Amino acid sequence: DTAVSQTPKYLVTQMGNDKSIKCEQNLGHDTMYWYKQDSKKFLKIMFSYNNKELIINETVPNRFSPKSPDKAHLNLHINSLELGDSAVYFCASSQLQGAADTQYFGPGTRLTVL
Amino acid sequence: AQKITQTQPGMFVQEKEAVTLDCTYDTSDPSYGLFWYKQPSSGEMIFLIYQGSYDQQNATEGRYSLNFQKARKSANLVISASQLGDSAMYFCAMRKTGTASKLTFGTGTRLQVTL
Repeated sequence: DTAVSQTPKYLVTQMGNDKSIKCEQNLGHDTMYWYKQDSKKFLKIMFSYNNKELIINETVPNRFSPKSPDKAHLNLHINSLELGDSAVYFCASSQLQGAADTQYFGPGTRLTVL
Repeated sequence: AQKITQTQPGMFVQEKEAVTLDCTYDTSDPSYGLFWYKQPSSGEMIFLIYQGSYDQQNATEGRYSLNFQKARKSANLVISASQLGDSAMYFCAMRKTGTASKLTFGTGTRLQVTL
């Protein structure tokens, strides 16, 4: 019984293509996130949704569009993929409760743009 | 703005020994949380331990403890009795209280446990 799951685990695609990554959590959390981990292992927030509402939108190109159909799902769609989009993308979820809320991460999706 | 600094890019420790991974942070917020995550070579991010800025006691979770020194703005992770399976990247992270609940991560420390 996986808490936070992502599909696919690996994604290899050509420049210019459009792709989606899906995320689902079964923890009953009200907040979900997308993080990007670059080749140097640095993790940075991209987006956050609370009860299907966008609450964080960091400086991310508008080729990236998150969508939350319900509070258990947060998908990430990327248009016109570029070489620099190659990274590991992590979905996470938490129950907002002040500074103490712990974010639980999915297994990550390794995106390779050729 | 919040900032997390991990000055040790890599550390070695012998099996069964204790090791301390350093983390310092910078924030002007009075209320914040500090977290440590482990990332093994398989890639997943595993939550290890949490410390709140108002907590009087240092957090402990099994072999993990957090040496929290608020005045020095440090939140070092101590792993006791290291095991080969502890070999991984370790990330320190911080978030402040508020609706926008992002984690700000440090650059990580790669720990290698040797026989």
